[in-house]
Parts: sequence; C-alpha cells; structure tokens
Amino acid sequence: EAQVTQNPRYLITVTGKKLTVTCSQNMNHEYMSWYRQDPGLGLRQIYYSMNVEVTDKGDVPEGYKVSRKEKRNFPLILESPSPNQTSLYFCASSYSTVNTEAFFGQGTRLTVV
Amino acid sequence: AQRVTQPEKLLSVFKGAPVELKCNYSYSGSPELFWYVQYSRQRLQLLLRHISRESIKGFTADLNKGETSFHLKKPFAQEEDSAMYYCALKENYGQNFVFGPGTRLSVLP
Repeated sequence: EAQVTQNPRYLITVTGKKLTVTCSQNMNHEYMSWYRQDPGLGLRQIYYSMNVEVTDKGDVPEGYKVSRKEKRNFPLILESPSPNQTSLYFCASSYSTVNTEAFFGQGTRLTVV
Repeated sequence: AQRVTQPEKLLSVFKGAPVELKCNYSYSGSPELFWYVQYSRQRLQLLLRHISRESIKGFTADLNKGETSFHLKKPFAQEEDSAMYYCALKENYGQNFVFGPGTRLSVLP
C-alpha cells in the first residue's frame, strides 16, 4: 500500500532532550516536506527536500534540522526541543512533476514540557 | 510574503446552504492549485485539483487567473462537510507545495 509513515505518533519529552521524528514513503517520491500545524495558524512549512541531499528552509525552520540521505526517508530532528515546539507535525511527499498531489503522513503529536 | 491566502479562519453555514471557501494566491508563473481537506483527527487528503476540473463530494473549484483565485464551492452543504480546508499552490518550477492558513468549515444542522 502506497503510504507516508511517521513515527512516533505521539511523543512527550522534556526541554533540551534531542529527538528525531521519522518519515518514510514507499512511492519513490522525489519531494518531501515537513509541516507543523497549530490552532489558528494552520499549516506552516518547516523544511522541504526536492531530492536526495537537497534540502531547503520553509517558513519556520528555526530549531529544526533535517537530512535526506536516501530517497525514502526524511527525518525531522530537534536538537534541543523547547515548549514552543509543542505541535502536531505532518510529513508529506510527492512526485516532482506536473499534476501530482502531495500525500500526507498521519501526523506526530509532540509535547515538550 | 504569504503566497496563498484564505481570508476566513472559520466559516459557519447551515445544512443545505451554499458554501464558498475563498482562496487567493500570488505567483508569477503558472501554478497548480489544490484543495486539501482534513477531517477531525485525520491526516490531510486531497479533495480536488484545478487541472482535473473535477467535482468531488459535490465540491468544485475554478481557477481564475485574472483574479488569482481558486475558490471552493458547494451548492448544498452537508454536516459531514465540517472539516478544515486548505488551499495549496504547487510551484511548477520549484515544485514546492505552499499551503494557505486554512479555513475551518462548520455545517450546522
């Protein structure tokens, strides 16, 4: 089944403790992206990647890192999480061609205390 | 600068009433426009795209390049349409997806 898989689905952590949220897709998509969703603010892009070893900042990249060492994986790294990074995170992927939609993961709810 | 705008954060209509969710964009090239829907506690999923000119669940959207708009319309809203709706633009050269801030549609009985 074609899908985008995020892990974990739920995570509670403490301020300053490094964490990684994984995202994997099995559709051979070139494009992958991370978003955070907050009440009243909608969906904001954190980072995106057009292909392996190609990443770019989105609208809210501060406090996050990403890597794209292989096509199927696009992990989101929080080196020193802070409470303002408490949010619902979505990963998405797509082909980099015309008329192709983005597919979303099921979301990761992160709480930083 | 925000490239996709959705002026209404919340839109409430009664069941059976027409609904229009507004979306405007700013982009110098030829964009691809999409509408995504997110039902409660679920992931975002594609509702429709302008290239296909399709009608999904009774919703339609027409790309108006002169007004740079891609409004989503449905003639008779149903309670199950209550959800968060996001308008999205795909840059045809950068191929990055840019989402609007979203509109929460609430269909009242």
